Formats: sequence, structure tokens, C-alpha cells
Amino acid sequence: DTGVSQDPRHKITKRGQNVTFRCDPISEHNRLYWYRQTLGQGPEFLTYFQNEAQLEKSRLLSDRFSAERPKGSFSTLEIQRTEQGDSAMYLCASSFDSGPGRGYTFGSGTRLTVV
Amino acid sequence: KQEVTQIPAALSVPEGENLVLNCSFTDSAIYNLQWFRQDPGKGLTSLLLIQSSQREQTSGRLNASLDKSSGRSTLYIAASQPGDSATYLCAVRHGSGNTGKLIFGQGTTLQVKP
Repeated sequence: DTGVSQDPRHKITKRGQNVTFRCDPISEHNRLYWYRQTLGQGPEFLTYFQNEAQLEKSRLLSDRFSAERPKGSFSTLEIQRTEQGDSAMYLCASSFDSGPGRGYTFGSGTRLTVV
Repeated sequence: KQEVTQIPAALSVPEGENLVLNCSFTDSAIYNLQWFRQDPGKGLTSLLLIQSSQREQTSGRLNASLDKSSGRSTLYIAASQPGDSATYLCAVRHGSGNTGKLIFGQGTTLQVKP
């Protein structure tokens, strides 16, 4: 197992374009999370999947954002009509919860720059 | 609403010093607390996970303590090395609900000078 993988590592896009990021969690992890991190801040929760079900979305996740996790495996995060304020690091994490929490494993992130 | 604060925001020390990073949280009803390391432009690497029933965890030169009642955790780094230079983040998982989402502090950026 190579951990949590995110693709691409970097994305530069023009304002108004759509972008899609992919996250491949650790295979036996049933929970998958997306976070967003801006410069100098800690990550902020965006959304959470348990298997294929999206169970919680932050109010940070505007209508332009959509996330999916088909078949409970990899996940995609799409941002439509990107704005400069969307520039950030998008982090994916996965965990497996059975009994006491076992903590998260994070991916390396996708750095989005909107110009 | 849970809020997590880390002090100091930045720290610069000479190599070999022992140091303490602080994390405080406003709601003591946490499930666990996790310390992460983040190198510039990179993702997060988990360092230590402390369950709500535990008081401390140790890994090598790192020791993390948890005092739930006072809403505090500390990360102690012994004999610091230049390779320890990074941003250290603490995050709490709230006790209520089953989301498992983490609330992060802003991080402490550590520079260890040779």
C-alpha cells in the first residue's frame, strides 16, 4: 500500500475554467475526507464520505464544488467556474474507523492556482 | 463551536535545544487529538495520535501530552535537529457525531538552525 495518492500535484487554471482533482485513499479505509488549506492557515474541512455516501458538507463547499466517491473507492473533487479565491492546497485524507479512532492518513495535496 | 489555537505561530531555535509547542482547544469533548508535520508545499504527515482517555504518547524524540480538562496539548521535541524544521499542526476530532472531521490549529512554523 502506497498511502493516499492525489492527482495532479499542481494545477494552474484560468478564472472561469472547471477543474477536477482525484484522490485514491488507502484501499481498506472506508472514510474519505477533503480539506482545503490556504497559505499560513490550517486545513479546513470540506466534505466527508463513508464508503460511497457523502455524509457531510461544510458551508465552505459552495454550489460550484461537487465531490463524488463512486463505489466507495477513489474520489473526485470538481470546482466549476473557478475564482481566484479558490487558489489553495486541496488535501485528501482517509481513515478506517472501528472502535477507537485510528487517525488520518493524508495525501500530498493538489496545489491549485487560479490566474 | 470548537476552536483550536497554536502558540507560538513561529519559532526559531539553535540545533540541540529541547522545545515545546502548544495547542489549546475550547471544547473539551474531544474524541482524540493528532499532531501532524507539514513540510513546505507538501501534505501532512501524522506524528502522534492521543486518544481522549490517554495522557501522552511518545515516538522517538517526540512526546505529546493531553490535558482534556484544561483544553491543552503540548508537543515536546527533544534535542532538535535542522531536519525538524517544518510546520507542526495539531488537530482535534470532536466527540459528538460520527463524522470524524478534524479541526486544525493554524500551525507553528519551526526553524532549527545548525
